[in-house]
Amino acid sequence: AQKVTQAQTEISVVEKEDVTLDCVYETRDTTYYLFWYKQPPSGELVFLIRRNSFDEQNEISGRYSWNFQKSTSSFNFTITASQVVDSAVYFCALSAYNQGGKLIFGQGTELSVKP
Amino acid sequence: EAGVAQSPRYKIIEKRQSVAFWCNPISGHATLYWYQQILGQGPKLLIQFQNNGVVDDSQLPKDRFSAERLKGVDSTLKIQPAKLEDSAVYLCASSPGQGATTEAFFGQGTRLTVV
Repeated sequence: AQKVTQAQTEISVVEKEDVTLDCVYETRDTTYYLFWYKQPPSGELVFLIRRNSFDEQNEISGRYSWNFQKSTSSFNFTITASQVVDSAVYFCALSAYNQGGKLIFGQGTELSVKP
Repeated sequence: EAGVAQSPRYKIIEKRQSVAFWCNPISGHATLYWYQQILGQGPKLLIQFQNNGVVDDSQLPKDRFSAERLKGVDSTLKIQPAKLEDSAVYLCASSPGQGATTEAFFGQGTRLTVV
């Protein structure tokens, strides 16, 4: 069975603080993909990143960075110098290679960045 | 490029009534997904189409939910009769290919309230 756990339900920080969103996954598949999506109040899910199971290199994109560790089945997301516009619900998701693109989502972490 | 369009944005119905949601995916996208997102949870896949064929409907409550994708483009999701527990946001997504090698693009969703 596949499962994604985001243990942090809500996080509140003050602007310019760094914040890390945790994601732990379970799968028996050897080939899979991990995703992060952002869901602002408007409702649509905005794609942030996709990593495949064979690429454990950390990735940085502007203020965003991702740390993928297969040894601990984690795919954590860090926002550096957070801004009010980062306030949203963030979802981590898993897709097995043979699942046709079906995404298994975690429960989401609601991030609130206060000025 | 236009995104995934969904309508209506909001719908309130009484239990045992029927309701239909419409989705227009991004032009040229072969794969279309319907997800159900209950408040406070991550989205859960209801059904996946590849062109106009069903790839995965294992989590669709077929006694009351139905979906179709005519001509491999637009899709309609129907609930008949609705129950209180169907209150959720229904998200449509599309992707250019099948599988997790390409990301899915989501619409803004239809928020259904069953009273």
